[in-house]
Amino acid sequence: SYELTQPPSVSVSPGQTASITCSGDKLGDKYACWYQQKPGQSPVLVIYQDSKRPSGIPERFSGSNSGNTATLTISGTQAMDEADYYCQAWDSSFYVFGTGTKVTVL
Amino acid sequence: EVQLVESGGGLVKPGGSLRLSCAASGFTFSSYSMNWVRQAPGKGLEWVSSISSSSSYIYYADSVKGRFTISRDNAKNSLYLQMNSLRAEDTAVYYCARDPTFGTTGYFDYWGQGTLVTVSS
Repeated sequence: SYELTQPPSVSVSPGQTASITCSGDKLGDKYACWYQQKPGQSPVLVIYQDSKRPSGIPERFSGSNSGNTATLTISGTQAMDEADYYCQAWDSSFYVFGTGTKVTVL
Repeated sequence: EVQLVESGGGLVKPGGSLRLSCAASGFTFSSYSMNWVRQAPGKGLEWVSSISSSSSYIYYADSVKGRFTISRDNAKNSLYLQMNSLRAEDTAVYYCARDPTFGTTGYFDYWGQGTLVTVSS
C-alpha cells in the first residue's frame, strides 16, 4: 500500500518560514494536498492540487510537489499557525494521509 | 453555507455494531462523492471509506473491509456508516468529508465536526 512520510515535528520562530515535507514514491506524479488541524478541531484544507489555496486561506501558505516530495511552506509564520499538518494524496481511488507534522511556533 | 453534521457515535462493546449518520446541507449533496475519515485518540488521520455520488462506486480501507458498510440517501441528504464486528482499534473520532473532485484528484474540502466511537468492554 502507498505510504506518505512526514517529519514528526517542525519548530519555527514567529515571522520566519516553516517548511514541511511529505515523501512518497513518485508523489510528484500524483496531486498532493495539505490539511491543518488545531487541537479539538476538524481538519481544514489549506492547499489542494499541489499548490492551490482554497478561499479564505492566507497567502502565506504555499505548496509544491515534485519527484518524491511535496512541501508545504508557511511564510511569515504566525502564532495562530501552530497546529498539526497532514499531507494527503489520492492513489487509484484510495486516499492516503501522511503521518502528520506538529508545527510549533516558538 | 456547507454543513456536515455527524451523529450516532457512542460506547459499544467489542464485537458490537453502530451506525453513524452524516446530515449534509448547503450544497447539492447528490452531486458529490462522500467519505468517512477517522482519527484515533492522539493519532493521525485515516481514510475509512468513500462512496460516489450515485453510489455506483464504493471503496474501503483494508482495515475495515468486510466489517463496515458505507451508504447514502440522496433524497435525505444523508451519508451513513454501518460498523459491525467492532474492535478496540476502531475507537476514534469519525469525520464525514466531502470530495469535490468527482473521482479525479481526490481531496476533502469540507469536514464535519466528528463523532466519537469508543469500543470497550
